[in-house]
Amino acid sequence: GAVVSQHPSWVICKSGTSVKIECRSLDFQATTMFWYRQFPKQSLMLMATSNEGSKATYEQGVEKDKFLINHASLTLSTLTVTSAHPEDSSFYICSARDFTEAFFGQGTRLTVV
Amino acid sequence: AQTVTQSQPEMSVQEAETVTLSCTYDTSENNYYLFWYKQPPSRQMILVIRQEAYKQQNATENRFSVNFQKAAKSFSLKISDSQLGDTAMYFCAFMKAPNSGGSNYKLTFGKGTLLTVNP
Repeated sequence: GAVVSQHPSWVICKSGTSVKIECRSLDFQATTMFWYRQFPKQSLMLMATSNEGSKATYEQGVEKDKFLINHASLTLSTLTVTSAHPEDSSFYICSARDFTEAFFGQGTRLTVV
Repeated sequence: AQTVTQSQPEMSVQEAETVTLSCTYDTSENNYYLFWYKQPPSRQMILVIRQEAYKQQNATENRFSVNFQKAAKSFSLKISDSQLGDTAMYFCAFMKAPNSGGSNYKLTFGKGTLLTVNP
């Protein structure tokens, strides 16, 4: 199957700083990418849908000014958590969709201290 | 809007035995895909099996097979000859088929079933 690479795998940042997470589709062009947040032992919660060259579509309740998403090319989408706080600590997963299937990155564990 | 329901939060099975995970869904769409994903402790999402709604034949991948009942909107996963490495969280997911009109081609997940395979 196709490969989606997500970096970093884990990151620790200080409260009030920003952190960027990258999601790359390595062997296919992904016009649509998805960003999820997952709490322990829970399902994936969709945060936003990222379309190449256009603004991301955020799910209800997700702060678009806190979670900035950029999809500047067909192979790269980024999620920036701005002014991070401890409650933003979580596991974030990206996914890239081709025609009939979605492929997932390895996930990023964010810890805000 | 689509919904996916997994009614078994946790299940356990003995090694080499067979286990079935349940999934039901609700949709007004006629063309769609259904998936089972596995998330082991590493938390990497791994596709286990996929079913196209237009196909009547149940999908099979080695020890994994599904029972797809379109009219009942049911999509269960059977794992045969369970192995210790099958221990993971399993998610059932729904996705509208491309070119089926409208928008919103996102994956909709169930809440998951934590499967433990015991030695």
